[in-house]
Amino acid sequence: EVQLLESGGGLVQPGGSLRLSCVASGFSFSIYAMSWVRQAPGKGLEWVSGISESGDTTYYADSVRGRFTISRDNSKNTLYLQMNNLGAEDTAVYYCAKQDGSSHYYSMDVWGQGTTVTVSS
Amino acid sequence: QSVLTQPPSVSGAPGQRVTISCTGSSSNIGAGYDVHWYQHLPGTAPKLLIYGNNNRPSGVPDRFSGSKSGTSASLAITGLQAEDEADYYCQSYDSSLSAPVVFGGGTMLTVL
Repeated sequence: EVQLLESGGGLVQPGGSLRLSCVASGFSFSIYAMSWVRQAPGKGLEWVSGISESGDTTYYADSVRGRFTISRDNSKNTLYLQMNNLGAEDTAVYYCAKQDGSSHYYSMDVWGQGTTVTVSS
Repeated sequence: QSVLTQPPSVSGAPGQRVTISCTGSSSNIGAGYDVHWYQHLPGTAPKLLIYGNNNRPSGVPDRFSGSKSGTSASLAITGLQAEDEADYYCQSYDSSLSAPVVFGGGTMLTVL
């Protein structure tokens, strides 16, 4: 079964850090581009970051650039999102998603169940 | 403000047909990039509904269809069912942006 399982969310104080992980199974992780997408309370879906299949190319939304770092370990079938200097505006459910190809042109055909990040003092 | 524009809400009675529009620009939909549609129920993972403008993944009923023309796209749902009540998002690619994957703001579908 094709599956993505996120972990690492939780409650963190403003200015703090968290690292999200997403373990993939049931497909050849190393040949697909991957993304992180979030949904803040009461808001729509927001694409946060993307990474190429090799990890050589990364993309970031303006709202997180300079604070978040996406990476992947193809030997562990795992996608990461290192989040630093978190603010209340980063409170959201974070989903990892598999692109249906090696580029972010393609749709996101597999999604994880999401992990909740709450930034609050 | 989302790069792709969707109506905030649509509604319809069971059995009816509804459409959800998605308006972009010459740097995304109008540039020839595909439009994809997702269904999202609260507390669950978003689900791919339509990919490549008008293709349904396996398991998606043929009541759902997509189309694209110029700088816009549409999702049509026929034979509306109570289980269709959800949020729907269009998504495309915008080569002019450093964050090239773009979503619409989402449309809440209410089945009356």
